[in-house]
Amino acid sequence: DTGVSQNPRHKITKRGQNVTFRCDPISEHNRLYWYRQTLGQGPEFLTYFQNEAQLEKSRLLSDRFSAERPKGSFSTLEIQRTEQGDSAMYLCASSFGTGSSPLHFGNGTRLTVT
Amino acid sequence: AQKITQTQPGMFVQEKEAVTLDCTYDTSDPSYGLFWYKQPSSGEVIFLIYQGSYDQQNATEGRYSLNFQKARKSANLVISASQLGDSAMYFCAMRDNYGGSQGNLIFGKGTKLSVKP
Repeated sequence: DTGVSQNPRHKITKRGQNVTFRCDPISEHNRLYWYRQTLGQGPEFLTYFQNEAQLEKSRLLSDRFSAERPKGSFSTLEIQRTEQGDSAMYLCASSFGTGSSPLHFGNGTRLTVT
Repeated sequence: AQKITQTQPGMFVQEKEAVTLDCTYDTSDPSYGLFWYKQPSSGEVIFLIYQGSYDQQNATEGRYSLNFQKARKSANLVISASQLGDSAMYFCAMRDNYGGSQGNLIFGKGTKLSVKP
């Protein structure tokens, strides 16, 4: 169990550019979640996958955001035409099932849009 | 709608003393789970403890215990014998099936705990 891995740790981009983040979950976990955290707030749910199927998307996930999880393994989160309001920490988490199973979080990708 | 409320933006505690961090929740689902997470300044989000709505006993995990009062819809985290390394943000979170949500957690705004030597 190597934990949830996220890359890159930090990303600085100019407004209007596209960015992509990667998340590698714990290998036996079938569920993968993306959250966004801004300063002074708790993590806010964006979307989640069960295996390769994207089952739920938050209203926070605008059309500029897209997430994939090909083959039910790693996941990518892409933000197109970034805006300054997209600056945040993007957290990935994984779990095995639901119920009492906690989410295990990665260290996050901090995005700064200038 | 499901909601988590943490009313204490910041708390101070003396090293080696116990501290209680408050959390209240709102849900229409009779089946739900409550989680506490810790986020140190380094940024990682660490799972601490879980309480299920049907659990008869309060959850405990080492120095962490959960004071679960179902009728009051509260799930307060108690940290005993505080250590300097406990200084961090603490988040209460809930999972239920309200509105078709399938397993994701809803987080409160957090409480910043500072442990004084």
